[in-house]
Amino acid sequence: DVKVTQSSRYLVKRTGEKVFLECVQDMDHENMFWYRQDPGLGLRLIYFSYDVKMKEKGDIPEGYSVSREKKERFSLILESASTNQTSMYLCASSRRLLASTDTQYFGPGTRLTVL
Amino acid sequence: GENVEQHPSTLSVQEGDSAVIKCTYSDSASNYFPWYKQELGKRPQLIIDIRSNVGEKKDQRIAVTLNKTAKHFSLHITETQPEDSAVYFCAASGLDTDKLIFGTGTRLQVFP
Repeated sequence: DVKVTQSSRYLVKRTGEKVFLECVQDMDHENMFWYRQDPGLGLRLIYFSYDVKMKEKGDIPEGYSVSREKKERFSLILESASTNQTSMYLCASSRRLLASTDTQYFGPGTRLTVL
Repeated sequence: GENVEQHPSTLSVQEGDSAVIKCTYSDSASNYFPWYKQELGKRPQLIIDIRSNVGEKKDQRIAVTLNKTAKHFSLHITETQPEDSAVYFCAASGLDTDKLIFGTGTRLQVFP
Protein backbone atom coordinates (compact mmCIF):
# COMPACT_ATOMS: atom_id res chain seq x y z
CA ASP A 1 0.00 0.00 0.00
CA VAL A 2 1.55 3.25 -1.17
CA LYS A 3 1.92 5.85 1.51
CA VAL A 4 2.71 9.49 0.85
CA THR A 5 2.79 11.73 3.90
CA GLN A 6 3.14 15.48 4.30
CA SER A 7 4.56 17.21 7.33
CA SER A 8 1.56 19.41 8.13
CA ARG A 9 -2.16 19.42 7.27
CA TYR A 10 -2.59 23.09 8.13
CA LEU A 11 -0.03 25.87 8.29
CA VAL A 12 -0.37 29.59 8.97
CA LYS A 13 2.57 31.87 8.20
CA ARG A 14 3.23 35.56 7.91
CA THR A 15 4.25 37.45 4.78
CA GLY A 16 8.02 37.29 4.28
CA GLU A 17 8.57 34.13 6.33
CA LYS A 18 10.52 31.20 4.92
CA VAL A 19 8.27 28.15 4.72
CA PHE A 20 9.22 24.48 4.40
CA LEU A 21 6.75 21.84 3.29
CA GLU A 22 7.96 18.26 3.48
CA CYS A 23 6.79 15.13 1.72
CA VAL A 24 7.85 11.54 2.36
CA GLN A 25 6.98 8.41 0.37
CA ASP A 26 7.68 4.84 1.38
CA MET A 27 7.42 3.04 -1.99
CA ASP A 28 10.92 3.70 -3.35
CA HIS A 29 9.44 5.83 -6.15
CA GLU A 30 11.88 7.70 -8.35
CA ASN A 31 9.52 10.56 -9.24
CA MET A 32 8.16 13.12 -6.81
CA PHE A 33 5.99 16.13 -7.54
CA TRP A 34 4.70 19.27 -5.86
CA TYR A 35 1.34 20.67 -7.01
CA ARG A 36 -0.70 23.63 -6.02
CA GLN A 37 -4.50 23.25 -5.98
CA ASP A 38 -6.75 26.29 -6.30
CA PRO A 39 -10.53 26.31 -6.98
CA GLY A 40 -11.29 26.27 -10.69
CA LEU A 41 -7.62 25.88 -11.65
CA GLY A 42 -7.14 22.19 -11.00
CA LEU A 43 -3.71 20.84 -10.11
CA ARG A 44 -0.80 22.93 -11.29
CA LEU A 45 2.72 21.51 -11.22
CA ILE A 46 5.24 23.60 -9.29
CA TYR A 47 8.32 21.35 -9.39
CA PHE A 48 9.20 17.78 -10.26
CA SER A 49 12.12 15.54 -9.31
CA TYR A 50 13.03 12.26 -11.01
CA ASP A 51 16.05 11.41 -8.87
CA VAL A 52 17.98 12.52 -5.83
CA LYS A 53 19.33 16.05 -6.27
CA MET A 54 17.55 16.34 -9.66
CA LYS A 55 14.75 18.84 -10.19
CA GLU A 56 12.78 20.39 -13.01
CA LYS A 57 10.56 23.42 -13.05
CA GLY A 58 6.89 22.85 -13.59
CA ASP A 59 4.30 25.31 -14.82
CA ILE A 60 4.40 27.74 -11.88
CA PRO A 61 7.86 27.63 -10.22
CA GLU A 62 8.15 31.36 -9.46
CA GLY A 63 8.52 32.02 -5.75
CA TYR A 64 9.29 28.39 -4.92
CA SER A 65 12.33 26.14 -4.70
CA VAL A 66 12.74 22.45 -3.88
CA SER A 67 15.21 20.08 -2.33
CA ARG A 68 15.65 16.33 -2.76
CA GLU A 69 18.55 15.07 -0.69
CA LYS A 70 17.12 11.57 -0.18
CA LYS A 71 15.03 9.45 -2.50
CA GLU A 72 12.06 9.27 -0.14
CA ARG A 73 11.88 12.96 0.77
CA PHE A 74 10.99 16.01 -1.35
CA SER A 75 10.76 19.46 0.20
CA LEU A 76 9.05 22.56 -1.13
CA ILE A 77 10.46 25.88 0.03
CA LEU A 78 8.82 29.27 -0.09
CA GLU A 79 11.78 31.63 0.32
CA SER A 80 9.62 34.63 1.27
CA ALA A 81 5.96 33.76 1.62
CA SER A 82 3.40 36.06 0.05
CA THR A 83 -0.38 36.20 0.40
CA ASN A 84 -0.86 34.93 -3.18
CA GLN A 85 0.80 31.68 -2.11
CA THR A 86 -2.13 30.88 0.15
CA SER A 87 -3.31 27.57 -1.26
CA MET A 88 -3.55 23.80 -0.90
CA TYR A 89 -0.24 22.09 -1.64
CA LEU A 90 -0.23 18.47 -2.74
CA CYS A 91 2.76 16.17 -3.00
CA ALA A 92 2.72 13.07 -5.23
CA SER A 93 5.06 10.25 -6.19
CA SER A 94 5.29 7.66 -8.96
CA ARG A 95 7.64 5.11 -10.42
CA ARG A 96 9.81 6.12 -13.33
CA LEU A 97 8.94 3.85 -16.28
CA LEU A 98 10.71 3.57 -19.62
CA ALA A 99 8.62 5.20 -22.35
CA SER A 100 5.46 5.08 -20.26
CA THR A 101 3.72 6.93 -17.44
CA ASP A 102 2.88 5.54 -14.03
CA THR A 103 0.05 6.39 -11.68
CA GLN A 104 0.76 9.21 -9.26
CA TYR A 105 -0.08 8.74 -5.59
CA PHE A 106 -0.94 11.80 -3.58
CA GLY A 107 -0.28 12.92 -0.05
CA PRO A 108 -3.09 14.35 2.14
CA GLY A 109 -2.20 17.95 1.28
CA THR A 110 -1.08 20.98 3.29
CA ARG A 111 -3.42 23.94 3.46
CA LEU A 112 -1.15 26.98 3.77
CA THR A 113 -2.46 30.38 4.76
CA VAL A 114 -0.15 33.38 4.45
CA LEU A 115 -1.27 36.42 6.42
CA GLY B 1 1.59 23.63 -25.06
CA GLU B 2 0.12 20.45 -23.65
CA ASN B 3 -3.42 20.95 -22.44
CA VAL B 4 -6.30 18.94 -21.00
CA GLU B 5 -9.79 20.42 -21.04
CA GLN B 6 -12.49 18.99 -18.79
CA HIS B 7 -16.26 19.50 -18.93
CA PRO B 8 -18.55 20.19 -17.23
CA SER B 9 -17.13 22.03 -14.25
CA THR B 10 -20.17 21.09 -12.14
CA LEU B 11 -22.67 18.28 -12.55
CA SER B 12 -25.75 17.53 -10.48
CA VAL B 13 -27.63 14.26 -10.86
CA GLN B 14 -30.35 12.36 -9.04
CA GLU B 15 -29.34 9.22 -7.22
CA GLY B 16 -29.55 6.28 -9.58
CA ASP B 17 -28.93 8.34 -12.72
CA SER B 18 -25.77 8.18 -14.81
CA ALA B 19 -23.04 10.82 -14.88
CA VAL B 20 -20.61 11.50 -17.72
CA ILE B 21 -17.52 13.70 -17.55
CA LYS B 22 -15.55 14.47 -20.71
CA CYS B 23 -11.95 15.46 -21.32
CA THR B 24 -9.99 16.39 -24.43
CA TYR B 25 -6.22 16.42 -24.73
CA SER B 26 -3.88 18.15 -27.13
CA ASP B 27 -0.83 15.87 -27.41
CA SER B 28 -1.37 12.98 -29.82
CA ALA B 29 1.53 11.14 -28.15
CA SER B 30 -0.35 10.89 -24.81
CA ASN B 31 -0.81 7.24 -23.92
CA TYR B 32 -1.97 7.12 -20.30
CA PHE B 33 -5.24 8.56 -18.98
CA PRO B 34 -6.05 8.26 -15.26
CA TRP B 35 -9.11 9.55 -13.41
CA TYR B 36 -8.90 10.72 -9.82
CA LYS B 37 -11.65 11.26 -7.25
CA GLN B 38 -11.16 13.83 -4.50
CA GLU B 39 -13.63 13.85 -1.66
CA LEU B 40 -13.96 16.97 0.45
CA GLY B 41 -10.86 17.49 2.57
CA LYS B 42 -9.13 14.38 1.24
CA ARG B 43 -6.35 13.55 -1.20
CA PRO B 44 -7.03 12.75 -4.89
CA GLN B 45 -7.26 9.00 -5.34
CA LEU B 46 -7.05 7.00 -8.54
CA ILE B 47 -10.37 5.38 -9.43
CA ILE B 48 -9.68 4.08 -12.93
CA ASP B 49 -7.14 4.49 -15.70
CA ILE B 50 -6.75 3.50 -19.33
CA ARG B 51 -3.83 3.15 -21.67
CA SER B 52 -3.94 3.99 -25.35
CA ASN B 53 -3.94 0.39 -26.54
CA VAL B 54 -7.56 -0.11 -25.40
CA GLY B 55 -10.75 1.80 -26.11
CA GLU B 56 -12.76 1.06 -22.98
CA LYS B 57 -12.27 -0.18 -19.44
CA LYS B 58 -14.87 -0.98 -16.77
CA ASP B 59 -14.75 -1.45 -13.03
CA GLN B 60 -18.18 -2.13 -11.56
CA ARG B 61 -20.17 1.11 -11.90
CA ILE B 62 -17.30 3.08 -13.40
CA ALA B 63 -16.10 3.01 -16.99
CA VAL B 64 -13.70 5.03 -19.09
CA THR B 65 -13.76 5.31 -22.88
CA LEU B 66 -10.97 6.61 -25.09
CA ASN B 67 -11.19 7.95 -28.64
CA LYS B 68 -7.62 8.48 -29.81
CA THR B 69 -8.62 9.86 -33.19
CA ALA B 70 -10.69 12.63 -31.62
CA LYS B 71 -8.30 12.94 -28.66
CA HIS B 72 -10.95 12.69 -26.02
CA PHE B 73 -11.80 10.37 -23.15
CA SER B 74 -14.76 10.15 -20.82
CA LEU B 75 -15.67 8.87 -17.37
CA HIS B 76 -19.03 7.16 -17.01
CA ILE B 77 -20.60 6.49 -13.61
CA THR B 78 -23.80 4.44 -13.62
CA GLU B 79 -26.36 4.06 -10.81
CA THR B 80 -24.90 7.03 -8.98
CA GLN B 81 -24.98 7.10 -5.19
CA PRO B 82 -24.59 10.02 -2.74
CA GLU B 83 -21.07 8.77 -1.88
CA ASP B 84 -20.06 9.41 -5.50
CA SER B 85 -20.29 13.13 -4.70
CA ALA B 86 -16.76 14.52 -5.08
CA VAL B 87 -14.47 16.42 -7.43
CA TYR B 88 -13.22 14.29 -10.33
CA PHE B 89 -10.02 15.07 -12.23
CA CYS B 90 -8.94 13.65 -15.54
CA ALA B 91 -5.30 13.61 -16.60
CA ALA B 92 -3.20 12.70 -19.60
CA SER B 93 0.47 11.84 -19.92
CA GLY B 94 2.57 14.52 -21.56
CA LEU B 95 5.57 14.76 -23.85
CA ASP B 96 7.62 14.08 -20.74
CA THR B 97 6.23 10.67 -19.83
CA ASP B 98 7.00 11.16 -16.15
CA LYS B 99 4.38 13.89 -15.90
CA LEU B 100 0.61 14.11 -15.97
CA ILE B 101 -1.36 17.06 -17.28
CA PHE B 102 -4.53 17.52 -15.21
CA GLY B 103 -7.94 18.86 -16.16
CA THR B 104 -9.52 21.57 -14.01
CA GLY B 105 -11.92 19.19 -12.28
CA THR B 106 -15.66 18.45 -12.21
CA ARG B 107 -17.67 18.80 -9.04
CA LEU B 108 -20.27 16.02 -9.05
CA GLN B 109 -23.24 16.24 -6.70
CA VAL B 110 -25.57 13.27 -6.34
CA PHE B 111 -28.88 14.15 -4.71
CA PRO B 112 -30.82 11.46 -2.82
